[in-house]
Order: sequence, then structure tokens, then C-alpha cells
Amino acid sequence: EPEVTQTPSHQVTQMGQEVILRCVPISNHLYFYWYRQILGQKVEFLVSFYNNEISEKSEIFDDQFSVERPDGSNFTLKIRSTKLEDSAMYFCASSGQGAGTDTQYFGPGTRLTVL
Amino acid sequence: QQQVKQSPQSLIVQKGGISIINCAYENTAFDYFPWYQQFPGKGPALLIAIRPDVSEKKEGRFTISFNKSAKQFSLHIMDSQPGDSATYFCAASGGTGNQFYFGTGTSLTVIP
Repeated sequence: EPEVTQTPSHQVTQMGQEVILRCVPISNHLYFYWYRQILGQKVEFLVSFYNNEISEKSEIFDDQFSVERPDGSNFTLKIRSTKLEDSAMYFCASSGQGAGTDTQYFGPGTRLTVL
Repeated sequence: QQQVKQSPQSLIVQKGGISIINCAYENTAFDYFPWYQQFPGKGPALLIAIRPDVSEKKEGRFTISFNKSAKQFSLHIMDSQPGDSATYFCAASGGTGNQFYFGTGTSLTVIP
């Protein structure tokens, strides 16, 4: 069964450093998402991406964040200057149609620890 | 604004019992209501989902009940098993956006 993959599984970084989290969505999906989950809390939407541009973003997704689809398979989330409060699990998801009624499939996540 | 409210925060059930988790939503434009199961250290995995044109959907031991007028939906796990011990999130989406709004999660523990 096709699945969303993410690398690395765990990233440790110093405050102020840039990090790039990588995702490989399911191959025939068209819509891509990043969510985050602070330890013990709910999953929160960050951004959705379609046709090489951001289609929707939350207030969490400020100028420190950016997303990119550098090639036909990868989808990345960059945090330019990490803060302590960026420590969380980051989940990538993808869906076929992205109509809001289409199932989003989640990857296993990247645990980001900012020291 | 909390778009989706979920309760209880935690739930302990005996093996073989029924687990019930409830969610309520605000936005009447929502038209897709999935439930996700999450094990520690893993990503959320779709368990079952419902659209508002039906009041109930059953898949194996898992049933979603949906009350459109009350803007509530719930997950019922019949014959709960220790392997069902996980965190369950309800979610909702629809309207103009395609993001999922997640509930705060319910930690389910099924005691053998």
C-alpha cells in the first residue's frame, strides 16, 4: 500500500538555525499538507500546497516557514530561524483531490527538537 | 476559535467493553468527518470517516454516529481490545478550505 514517508525521523537543532524537513507524498496525489503536533496536544494545520503554490495557510505559518516542491517527488518544509517553541512533531500529509472531503494520508512524522 | 471540540480527554475501558468518544463542531459548512488513530511515535492513521448525508457508518468494530442538527458526531468502538489503546482524534473539513480541523484527542486505554 502506498504511504507517505518523511525524513529525518528526528532532528535536533540549535535555536536560530535553519532546518529542512522532507516528505515524499503518495505518488499520484496532488495536494500536500504540513501539520504540527506539540507534545501532548492536538494536530494543527500549517499549510496546504497545490499546483506549486500555497493554497491555504494558518496563522502559525509565518514568514519563518516556507514550503517547496523541488522535484516531482519531494515536498519540503523549511524553518529559517528555529525557536524553542518550534519543537514539535511535524507531519506531512497528502491527498488525491484535496477537496476537503478527500482523505489525507499522514506520514510518520519528524520530531523536531530545538535546543 | 476551537472549531472541533472532543471529549473525553482520556478513557479507560475494560476489554470487551464499548468505548465512546464524542465530538462537536461549529462550522455548518463542514462536510467530511474523519476519525484518526494515533499510536505513540506514529502519524495519525485514518480509521473511519463519514459524510453528513448519512447518520451512521459502521466498519467492523468501529461505528460513527452523526447528528447533523446537533452538529455532533461520535466514535463507538465495540468489543474494545488492548490493541485499540491509542489516541483518537476526530477531525472535520469542508467549505472553502481543505485543511482538517482536529479535535484535542482522546487517550484510550483498554485494560485486559
